[in-house]
Amino acid sequence: KAGVTQTPRYLIKTRGQQVTLSCSPISGHRSVSWYQQTPGQGLQFLFEYFSETQRNKGNFPGRFSGRQFSNSRSEMNVSTLELGDSALYLCASSGEALNTEAFFGQGTRLTVV
Amino acid sequence: AQSVAQPEDQVNVAEGNPLTVKCTYSVSGNPYLFWYVQYPNRGLQFLLKYITGDNLVKGSYGFEAEFNKSQTSFHLKKPSALVSDSALYFCAVRDMDTGFQKLVFGTGTRLLVSP
Repeated sequence: KAGVTQTPRYLIKTRGQQVTLSCSPISGHRSVSWYQQTPGQGLQFLFEYFSETQRNKGNFPGRFSGRQFSNSRSEMNVSTLELGDSALYLCASSGEALNTEAFFGQGTRLTVV
Repeated sequence: AQSVAQPEDQVNVAEGNPLTVKCTYSVSGNPYLFWYVQYPNRGLQFLLKYITGDNLVKGSYGFEAEFNKSQTSFHLKKPSALVSDSALYFCAVRDMDTGFQKLVFGTGTRLLVSP
């Protein structure tokens, strides 16, 4: 069974640019969540998508957005990049039951210069 | 609001000795608790979870965790540490306020196992 795939693994962008990250969940999983990991703030929840609908959102500015496609693949977009957006972005794939664990991809390391 | 706390930034242990990584939780209702491990420049790897039932939960790679409701703790343990266990460990709780898949993580504990 294939795991969670995130692409690309590494990105370097300039301030003011925008970026799109991709996540393919485990086959059969309809829930995809995104997290930002930084040394200062730790792991913070960005948003969760289920069946193409955002059903939960963390405390991030509107520059952070996402979507989910009918095949459950998800993308997140960050517009007008700031230096503080440099982070490891992690995608998690989950089954529907709340007692199931989330499976994480290897992450996308975004560096904003 | 659901939260977890990991009081130690770092735990040092010699190879072969038992290890404990501490986690306490604060939730309304029954907690769904998880432990994850992260190796450098990698994602999070699931170790074990507590949902209900036995207070001692066994997981991957010889790890186990003890759920203690009276002390609101969920400490991760291993009887004999390996150098390869050196990594960053996160405790997490499912955010039951929303009823969805959001996890709330602790700040992480770095485990260093010396040869």
